[in-house]
Amino acid sequence: GAVVSQHPSWVICKSGTSVKIECRSLDFQATTMFWYRQFPKQSLMLMATSNEGSKATYEQGVEKDKFLINHASLTLSTLTVTSAHPEDSSFYICSARWLAGGPETGELFFGEGSRLTVL
Amino acid sequence: AQSVTQLDSQVPVFEEAPVELRCNYSSSVSVYLFWYVQYPNQGLQLLLKYLSGSTLVKGINGFEAEFNKSQTSFHLRKPSVHISDTAEYFCAVSNLDTGRRALTFGSGTRLQVQP
Repeated sequence: GAVVSQHPSWVICKSGTSVKIECRSLDFQATTMFWYRQFPKQSLMLMATSNEGSKATYEQGVEKDKFLINHASLTLSTLTVTSAHPEDSSFYICSARWLAGGPETGELFFGEGSRLTVL
Repeated sequence: AQSVTQLDSQVPVFEEAPVELRCNYSSSVSVYLFWYVQYPNQGLQLLLKYLSGSTLVKGINGFEAEFNKSQTSFHLRKPSVHISDTAEYFCAVSNLDTGRRALTFGSGTRLQVQP
């Protein structure tokens, strides 16, 4: 199946600094990627939809100035947590839909996740 | 709007016993249904999916699920579990009619297989 890779897998930073997380589709092109956030022992909550070449679409309650998303190419989307604070500590997971030219299957492929800890 | 309900937050079961993880969904339009598994500190792996056709769907690792439209359910089953099946399982729905491509997830069910 299609492969999505995230980097870094974990990061620890000081409060007030910014952290960038990369999401790459390794063997397919993804015009749309999705960023999810997962708190411990909870489900995945959609943060935003990243669209190649255009602005991201944020879910209600997600601060677009705090979580900057850039989708500069068909294989790379980045999430930057700006001026991170301890409450931003979470597991961030990206995903992409594989459109192989066939019928829409709806399936998303997920990255390995990035665990952010803000001290 | 669509939603997914996983009725059990935790399911303890003994090794080699059968298991069923329950999932119900709500949507005003047709949906695609998925089950994903998540191991600790990892992303999600697709177990199986229902798009159309046969309501009984077989997936990886011996799992299967049955789509029941009248009951709006998509329960996951396995006839005999292994220790290695211990993980978090998420039911998800995708609503394509509105053009929304993201998945909506249930709250997850922790499957704990005991020896």
